[in-house]
Amino acid sequence: EDQVTQSPEALRLQEGESSSLNCSYTVSGLRGLFWYRQDPGKGPEFLFTLYSAGEEKEKERLKATLTKKESFLHITAPKPEDSATYLCAVWGSWGKLQFGAGTQVVVTP
Amino acid sequence: GAVVSQHPSRVICKSGTSVKIECRSLDFQATTMFWYRQFPKQSLMLMATSNEGSKATYEQGVEKDKFLINHASLTLSTLTVTSAHPEDSSFYICSARDERQSYEQYFGPGTRLTVT
Repeated sequence: EDQVTQSPEALRLQEGESSSLNCSYTVSGLRGLFWYRQDPGKGPEFLFTLYSAGEEKEKERLKATLTKKESFLHITAPKPEDSATYLCAVWGSWGKLQFGAGTQVVVTP
Repeated sequence: GAVVSQHPSRVICKSGTSVKIECRSLDFQATTMFWYRQFPKQSLMLMATSNEGSKATYEQGVEKDKFLINHASLTLSTLTVTSAHPEDSSFYICSARDERQSYEQYFGPGTRLTVT
């Protein structure tokens, strides 16, 4: 069975204090690893898809990397508007996304 | 990125009535759509996979007669909660897979259902 574990559960950062979120996974036949951002009361917002180990993608202050066992989401010099819950999901041979529990990030001014 | 809409954004209904939620992919065609349920401070739980022109595939423990899914076109899927009860109150979110190139999956804004 596909499993996704995200750590830490919660992260409190000062504005400008860079950090990384971890997503560890076990999956049968990885087809893709997804990162989403979710604000309270809203649907997840797509950030990245990574398809193979060694792949990296960047968007503004966010950078996602992938190895055969885990993915990292690096937040560089975060701003308060980066506060959200970040969700990781794997797409395996079952054809559906398996989500982690998420990391709640709070960035204070 | 691709856009997925949901309607209504929130609905309040009385126990025993049925509620329909629409999910539309606005700028792409989606052979496959998904319906999720999310409880407070929890992650998304997949309820069913909806394939255009065929029956939905429900996850274990999800009552297919209670949560009716119809995917009649490549841009529209509907979820009907039949004979709703207070325990059906939740945040329902749909998503659509963009199969044009990258198989990325985009989510709608969600529907808050409250059953009184």
